[in-house]
Amino acid sequence: SAVISQKPSRDICQRGTSLTIQCQVDSQVTMMFWYRQQPGQSLTLIATANQGSEATYESGFVIDKFPISRPNLTFSTLTVSNMSPEDSSIYLCSVLPRAGYNEQFFGPGTRLTVL
Amino acid sequence: GIQVEQSPPDLILQEGANSTLRCNFSDSVNNLQWFHQNPWGQLINLFYIPSGTKQNGRLSATTVATERYSLLYISSSQTTDSGVYFCAVGKGGKLIFGQGTELSVKP
Repeated sequence: SAVISQKPSRDICQRGTSLTIQCQVDSQVTMMFWYRQQPGQSLTLIATANQGSEATYESGFVIDKFPISRPNLTFSTLTVSNMSPEDSSIYLCSVLPRAGYNEQFFGPGTRLTVL
Repeated sequence: GIQVEQSPPDLILQEGANSTLRCNFSDSVNNLQWFHQNPWGQLINLFYIPSGTKQNGRLSATTVATERYSLLYISSSQTTDSGVYFCAVGKGGKLIFGQGTELSVKP
């Protein structure tokens, strides 16, 4: 498995502002993902963070709202832009440690509240 | 896309009771995982089980891939087992989550 950390662990933000969430892994991993969990709901995949290129977004999520970076094999950021109260959620990053290994591991999550 | 259905949606048990959680999925997959989400929101990996049977202490899981379902068994439940249990299936790395089973174990 991999040890995954996220910063911040939680935040309270004002509408119209942006927040960048960091995901750090203790070893190089092949794939990194970002998920959203709205209050009382299940997890939904936002995008696959691709190292050195643009992220691949799922239906309903766009780069202008959720820009993602992945500058290397151990680090990624997700920005939630121009926030509204509907963006209040837990945001989680996950990783696939290595090629051919399908078990996915999740970070501790970032709990975001937008006022 | 792949549909994932979990049942029951809610479950209340007395400490010491056993339970079975079910996950049905609509297409062939190369990944199936069970997670426990604790009250702080953290997802704990329970099983990676695209097929077959595994056991870990009081928990065990069985996936019948040909019939597209998986079962999670919890025996001798404890209050610390409370939380939400998610089944997630995957193809090509992406995971699709079911809606979860919220388990409450009463002392």
